[in-house]
Formats: sequence, structure tokens, C-alpha cells
Amino acid sequence: GESVGLHLPTLSVQEGDNSIINCAYSNSASDYFIWYKQESGKGPQFIIDIRSNMDKRQGQRVTVLLNKTVKHLSLQIAATQPGDSAVYFCAETRNNAGNMLTFGGGTRLMVKP
Amino acid sequence: EAGVAQSPRYKIIEKRQSVAFWCNPISGHATLYWYQQILGQGPKLLIQFQNNGVVDDSQLPKDRFSAERLKGVDSTLKIQPAKLEDSAVYLCASRGPGRRRGEQYFGPGTRLTVT
Repeated sequence: GESVGLHLPTLSVQEGDNSIINCAYSNSASDYFIWYKQESGKGPQFIIDIRSNMDKRQGQRVTVLLNKTVKHLSLQIAATQPGDSAVYFCAETRNNAGNMLTFGGGTRLMVKP
Repeated sequence: EAGVAQSPRYKIIEKRQSVAFWCNPISGHATLYWYQQILGQGPKLLIQFQNNGVVDDSQLPKDRFSAERLKGVDSTLKIQPAKLEDSAVYLCASRGPGRRRGEQYFGPGTRLTVT
């Protein structure tokens, strides 16, 4: 089965609020995690990544948190905007898997004006 | 820089027919991937090339799927014969030298419908 999964299929937030998208993984050998954003009709777009030797990484308006104890990571989007509406995927890879990514099932983020 | 190009964008075929998809990665990107994305799911890796060599094709259904990257640039993915369950979006991605492992650049995909 898949080693990466998401808790919620759909998340609806008010414009300006913060969004939190969660992801669970099952393989303790996973050592690198990535978040992708996919807008309708487009391919996934890299957002941010984190290595397993870190527990937090920040980008522009986005923060990824990694909790290796419970095999959980999250993507936080600050001040969510309508342009953030998309499906978000977490993905993982392992040293012994080369650069091959395993994607989870995705969470749809809907931003209400 | 120009993105990953894919064609066609849409294709409708009947089962048992053949189909081919084309991908032109970002210039200078040695690593090329083909993914299959079934509606409502995350992309699933089919094959990974490094230049014109196959790095991994463990998830490619080799009885019907084939892919090549003869000159280390463009790539084609072929399905012969197609089945109903092959209906999906086929995504091509590339990664450049020095880029982080997960920093793949995806094309818009080819939506295949098998009837």
C-alpha cells in the first residue's frame, strides 16, 4: 500500500485565515518530504521540502512541520488567498529509493472570499 | 525558462488501440519522469530516466507500456493496447542538475480517456 496519506480530502477556509494541511506517512525510513500544489488542469508545482533531520522549515507564507515521532507532517499557509485554492499533495522519498517520489492522495483547499 | 512541454493535451481512444505521448523537458534537465495520475489520486511514478538511461521502471506495466528517451532530451510514452483502466492524466516532469531531490518541474499533462 501507499506509504503516504492525508487526513482530510477537503479543507475550506476563509480568505485571510491560516490553513493547515496534514499528512501521515508510515515508513520510518522516509527521509525527505515534499509538498506540491496542483491547480486545476495543471501539473503539480513544488512548494517546499524538508529533510528528516529538521522539524521545521519556512518559506514565503508557508511552513512545513515534521514530527518523526508520530510520522506526521503538515503544511501551514499563512493569510490564505484565493490563489491558494488547489489540491495539495505531500510526497516522500528515501535514500534507498533514489529520487523517486511517492505521492499521497491529496487535500483540496477551498478559499472562501 | 520555458516549462516542460507535453502533447497532446487530450486524447480519446477506444480500448485495445494504441496511443503515444510526447514530452520535452526543460533545457538542460537530465532527469525525466513519467507519472500516471488517476482522477482523485496523487501521481504515481511509471519510469525515471537519467539522460537516455532508465533509472527505474519498476512500476511500469511493461506488457503494454513502453517509454524511450533516445537522445537524452525528448521522451515518448506509449500504451499498446490500451485498457479502460489506463484512463488518467499522464504527467511528465524533469529535474535539473543541482536541484533538490523533490524539486521536479511538471508539464500540464495529457488527459487520456479510454472508451
